[in-house]
Amino acid sequence: IAGITQAPTSQILAAGRRMTLRCTQDMRHNAMYWYRQDLGLGLRLIHYSNTAGTTGKGEVPDGYSVSRANTDDFPLTLASAVPSQTSVYFCASSGFSSNYNEQFFGPGTRLTVL
Amino acid sequence: LAKTTQPISMDSYEGQEVNITCSHNNIATNDYITWYQQFPSQGPRFIIQGYKTKVTNEVASLFIPADRKSSTLSLPRVSLSDTAVYYCLVGDVPGGKLIFGQGTELSVKP
Repeated sequence: IAGITQAPTSQILAAGRRMTLRCTQDMRHNAMYWYRQDLGLGLRLIHYSNTAGTTGKGEVPDGYSVSRANTDDFPLTLASAVPSQTSVYFCASSGFSSNYNEQFFGPGTRLTVL
Repeated sequence: LAKTTQPISMDSYEGQEVNITCSHNNIATNDYITWYQQFPSQGPRFIIQGYKTKVTNEVASLFIPADRKSSTLSLPRVSLSDTAVYYCLVGDVPGGKLIFGQGTELSVKP
């Protein structure tokens, strides 16, 4: 693995189903983030984690949960998906050696909730 | 958290210099100004960051006036491959609470 990876690449999900989006980084970055991107709204922060074992709420956290059991993984869970959660989801990470505000983004997961 | 305002879209031609200005009137003392580039179907990519005055790297220059209430990203001699969305954001770390905004969609024409 080089950098930050996300899985799945895309997913179609029935409303009400549970879904976990996976994110893994191999850069030993302490901080990780989840964003959603919708047309015309840019990227919005869902949840973040400054270090393993801690998480925080971003701009649009409702309907999502995260965990940070170790440095490398930061899964995002939709407990009961709704159509408004149709979006492209980006995971990102940043480390102490990065520039301030420099985050490294994964390729994204395109999620469609029907 | 400081909100940013930038033009929704800009058009340019190959070989021209492009300047994208962003306003951030409520920038805090600890905030840095950062610009990202995003191509379709890809995650954003860090371009440049600054705190005050001018910063230059191999990709772009960033001009920040003394009051820091605005900043200008300058792309020298753009090519078709510079067609992308450019985001201006302000914030500091730790916390990661960056606000990306809508960005500026730059279209470079031949």
